Amino acid sequence: DGGITQSPKYLFRKEGQNVTLSCEQNLNHDAMYWYRQDPGQGLRLIYYSQIVNDFQKGDIAEGYSVSREKKESFPLTVTSAQKNPTAFYLCASSRDRTYGYTFGSGTRLTVV
Amino acid sequence: QKEVEQNSGPLSVPEGAIASLNCTYSDRGSQSFFWYRQYSGKSPELIMFIYSNGDKEDGRFTAQLNKASQYVSLLIRDSQPSDSATYLCAGNNFNKFYFGSGTKLNVKP
Repeated sequence: DGGITQSPKYLFRKEGQNVTLSCEQNLNHDAMYWYRQDPGQGLRLIYYSQIVNDFQKGDIAEGYSVSREKKESFPLTVTSAQKNPTAFYLCASSRDRTYGYTFGSGTRLTVV
Repeated sequence: QKEVEQNSGPLSVPEGAIASLNCTYSDRGSQSFFWYRQYSGKSPELIMFIYSNGDKEDGRFTAQLNKASQYVSLLIRDSQPSDSATYLCAGNNFNKFYFGSGTKLNVKP
């Protein structure tokens, strides 16, 4: 079955530590996205990529980094510069915006 | 002004009733609109999209779009307790895809 796989499902980060969230899709979609969702809040765009080897900052990119070396993969690194990283992180992909997004199952990141 | 506005709820309806969820948007250049369902602790799931004025029906769900009034709605007929979730309205234009904060729906048995 085609879909988006995010891992891990739960992640704990110590202060000052960088962590990387994985996102892989086998839908052959060109565009991929990372969103952050805080409790009771909407989705906020972190980064997006519309083609391999190219990506753009979203509304809240500070403290995050991404890469897009393969069409299938769009990992997100939460750096130590992100002061409040505890949130639910969602990866999505789309064929094009007309058809909307398909979301992965999410990664819940907690700072310990 | 947010690009998409939704009442956060909760909206409570009895089982079997019609649930009506509403959304307004500010960007007249918006092309398509989407309704996502998100269960607590889970990721959003696309349930409907609409890009033409009027109604679009899919099973118990009907999406309605009024571009003149910049208004999108989702009707859920014969509501079931399993419909209890947060419903996110989303829209796009050529450059951006944006989400509302969601309306929490409670369907009471």
